[in-house]
Amino acid sequence: DQQVKQNSPSLSVQEGRISILNCDYTNSMFDYFLWYKKYPAEGPTFLISISSIKDKNEDGRFTVFLNKSAKHLSLHIVPSQPGDSAVYFCAASAYGFGNEKLTFGTGTRLTIIP
Amino acid sequence: EPEVTQTPSHQVTQMGQEVILRCVPISNHLYFYWYRQILGQKVEFLVSFYNNEISEKSEIFDDQFSVERPDGSNFTLKIRSTKLEDSAMYFCASTARKNNQPQHFGDGTRLSIL
Repeated sequence: DQQVKQNSPSLSVQEGRISILNCDYTNSMFDYFLWYKKYPAEGPTFLISISSIKDKNEDGRFTVFLNKSAKHLSLHIVPSQPGDSAVYFCAASAYGFGNEKLTFGTGTRLTIIP
Repeated sequence: EPEVTQTPSHQVTQMGQEVILRCVPISNHLYFYWYRQILGQKVEFLVSFYNNEISEKSEIFDDQFSVERPDGSNFTLKIRSTKLEDSAMYFCASTARKNNQPQHFGDGTRLSIL
């Protein structure tokens, strides 16, 4: 089941620079997308989400962009901070089609270099 | 900030034994979920629960699995006869409203089957 893909298993970014994490999906029924952050031995923590009726959502240092035609979304973190070092998961659901389960990507490990 | 709590944090069980994983969702949430993550793999949906009924379940959620909300605060996942392949992190999640609302996760229970 590869409906949500994160093709970069890891990413290293200098502190203060922009981190860009990418996610691709194949299921056209997905209409709600989320990013979660996960530290070791903890559960996924919700960061930011976007509905398919929008193409951008911003919350502080975090911005999510959605390109429906390309079936691609990205998470921008600017400026990156050492506390941002974690594994980031992209997730999607098809709420509008009565499907509330989240389908997750494999995650990208982000390391912020001081 | 309200959070989802899960107990125990680690459960070690002999194969064939029954195990119950417990969750206390966020108090005003109405929709409840179980996910699992086998080591090195994606987070996978198991089951969703609303109004004392299962609303959706995955292929993984076979007859060995059951969920229950025994009182107004707890939400449990029971595995009747555990197998080696049930070893995983099990995450509980909850949300206030089904549509376009993020699911909030607990820190998980690590289940180890010997």
